[in-house]
Amino acid sequence: DQQVKQNSPSLSVQEGRISILNCDYTNSMFDYFLWYKKYPAEGPTFLISISSIKDKNEDGRFTVFLNKSAKHLSLHIVPSQPGDSAVYFCAASVTGGFKTIFGAGTRLFVKA
Amino acid sequence: DAGVIQSPRHEVTEMGQEVTLRCKPISGHDYLFWYRQTMMRGLELLIYFNNNVPIDDSGMPEDRFSAKMPNASFSTLKIQPSEPRDSAVYFCASAYPSTDTQYFGPGTRLTVL
Repeated sequence: DQQVKQNSPSLSVQEGRISILNCDYTNSMFDYFLWYKKYPAEGPTFLISISSIKDKNEDGRFTVFLNKSAKHLSLHIVPSQPGDSAVYFCAASVTGGFKTIFGAGTRLFVKA
Repeated sequence: DAGVIQSPRHEVTEMGQEVTLRCKPISGHDYLFWYRQTMMRGLELLIYFNNNVPIDDSGMPEDRFSAKMPNASFSTLKIQPSEPRDSAVYFCASAYPSTDTQYFGPGTRLTVL
């Protein structure tokens, strides 16, 4: 039973355009959501997060949107750069619970 | 800060052998997590510790898997006996108690022949 789902295994985007990575969750108890980025042969690194009391959080070129009623979140990268090519994991947890559930990941290719 | 340290980085073993993966968390982090990454299932949480005590091991796939944290600076994940389906990348991560952000090590790529 996958509580966090990333239905797109891969995404290809042209440099300078917007990348939109999507994530759905099923557990309504989740109230904290994170995105991690992973390069080959490295561990995932934290990218951006959002609490359920917000519907948007921005950090430079990265913005995460949360739609609680749809149990859906998305990561927008604008403008996309070749260095953004990586696997992006969506993750969810209950605040203070520490048991973070990860999605399967979406591999982003940004073409120069 | 050296970050989370894992060893070995690569391990190739034969079916039936015992495998031990090691992790040194970031100093001061009270939480330690073991994950497994596969193509089919993505990143799965196996077990996590708080202050060296296992809190949730519901993700450990079978009794062949065991994890220990004898002190705040060291943890092991052991597979005995190993099977080909255990082949995956195993990550260790640690976190402060006041945040949900986890810091991952570089992973151990395990291949069981």
